[in-house]
Amino acid sequence: EPEVTQTPSHQVTQMGQEVILRCVPISNHLYFYWYRQILGQKVEFLVSFYNNEISEKSEIFDDQFSVERPDGSNFTLKIRSTKLEDSAMYFCASGGGGGRNQPQHFGDGTRLSIL
Amino acid sequence: AQSVTQLDSQVPVFEEAPVELRCNYSSSVSVYLFWYVQYPNQGLQLLLKYLSGSTLVKGINGFEAEFNKSQTSFHLRKPSVHISDTAEYFCAVLNTGFQKLVFGTGTRLLVSP
Repeated sequence: EPEVTQTPSHQVTQMGQEVILRCVPISNHLYFYWYRQILGQKVEFLVSFYNNEISEKSEIFDDQFSVERPDGSNFTLKIRSTKLEDSAMYFCASGGGGGRNQPQHFGDGTRLSIL
Repeated sequence: AQSVTQLDSQVPVFEEAPVELRCNYSSSVSVYLFWYVQYPNQGLQLLLKYLSGSTLVKGINGFEAEFNKSQTSFHLRKPSVHISDTAEYFCAVLNTGFQKLVFGTGTRLLVSP
């Protein structure tokens, strides 16, 4: 069964550095998402991406964050000038072409640790 | 705004016993409902979904859930649990007008022998 893959599984970065989290969505999916889960808290929506542009973003997704689909297969989340509070598990998800209500399939996540 | 409430943060149960994990949602418009499971150090796996039609939906691993619009609930049930069902379970709602999933805080199911 096709799946969403995320790399790396764990990223350790110094505060203030830039980090790029990578995702390969399921190949025929059209909708792409990033969520994050701070340790012990609920999973929170960050951003959705469709037709090569952001379709919705949360208040968490400020100018520090950006997303890109550089080559038609990868979907990346960039965090500029990381802060301690950016430490979390980041999940990528993709959804099918049957419409926005189709289930979102999640990757195994990237654990981001900011030191 | 939508919200999802999972009242039980942890549910301990013995193997082969039945279990119900509760989920209530609030939304002013029609919603789609999902249950996801997260095993340790893994991502979120879709257990089941309610989009329309029959209010009783069956998912993987013997789980089922019933959509109750009047009570705004979508409780997850399994008649007989296994040790391997030990995991975190998340209820989520998708507003028909938006794309983002809104998750509950999760319920940790602990199955012991």
